[in-house]
Amino acid sequence: DIQMTQSPSSLSASVGDRVTITCRASQDIRNHLAWFQQKPGKAPRSLIYDASTLQSGVPSKFSGDGSGTDFTLTIISLQPEDFATYYCQQFHSYPYTFGQGTKLEIK
Amino acid sequence: EVQLVESGGGLVQPGGSLRLSCVASGFSFSTHWMSWVRQAPGKGLEWVANINQPGSGKFSVDSVKGRFSISRDNMKNSVYLQMNSLRAEDTAVYYCARIYCSGGSCYYDYWGQGTLVTVSS
Repeated sequence: DIQMTQSPSSLSASVGDRVTITCRASQDIRNHLAWFQQKPGKAPRSLIYDASTLQSGVPSKFSGDGSGTDFTLTIISLQPEDFATYYCQQFHSYPYTFGQGTKLEIK
Repeated sequence: EVQLVESGGGLVQPGGSLRLSCVASGFSFSTHWMSWVRQAPGKGLEWVANINQPGSGKFSVDSVKGRFSISRDNMKNSVYLQMNSLRAEDTAVYYCARIYCSGGSCYYDYWGQGTLVTVSS
């Protein structure tokens, strides 16, 4: 199975900040990576697919980069509604696997 | 508007069975792969199973193989998860998700609100 490791596990930031979350795959997954945002008690929201393509309706403040084994999610100009948990997931091979999540909290 | 509405969750004893349903609307259901993803209380997301458009191709995580079965009824715009021999570790919110495939790439684009399954005596 492909292991997905996110760092950091938690992150404190202030409104207006820029943050970057890293996701590392245990083997080459090309660009078959997606990012999701989840708020407490809510379903995940799809943000990015193919490592860097924004889902329809997702603001351009979110961006993804990477290929192979190393990927990043960057969020600029943080607003209160951006504080949530973020997950990466590989779609390269079964079983699909998620990172453990990164909780983004307000400083 | 794409909507996915899950139902069928509840409290069940260890060893028991439950059938989850997800009714889709707002898109051509029969042209999409569908998926179930779960989340144990306070934990991360875990992929459970996928099913292809006609229902002939099914894939699932090892921990549920032989116990859970994914199926679909394209006439009813529904996907199901039959869960047998339930264990305490199956306790989770179960989400239905639509898979969008294009240009050799597949990914989740829409999610349901989830249904809670609690396995406890």
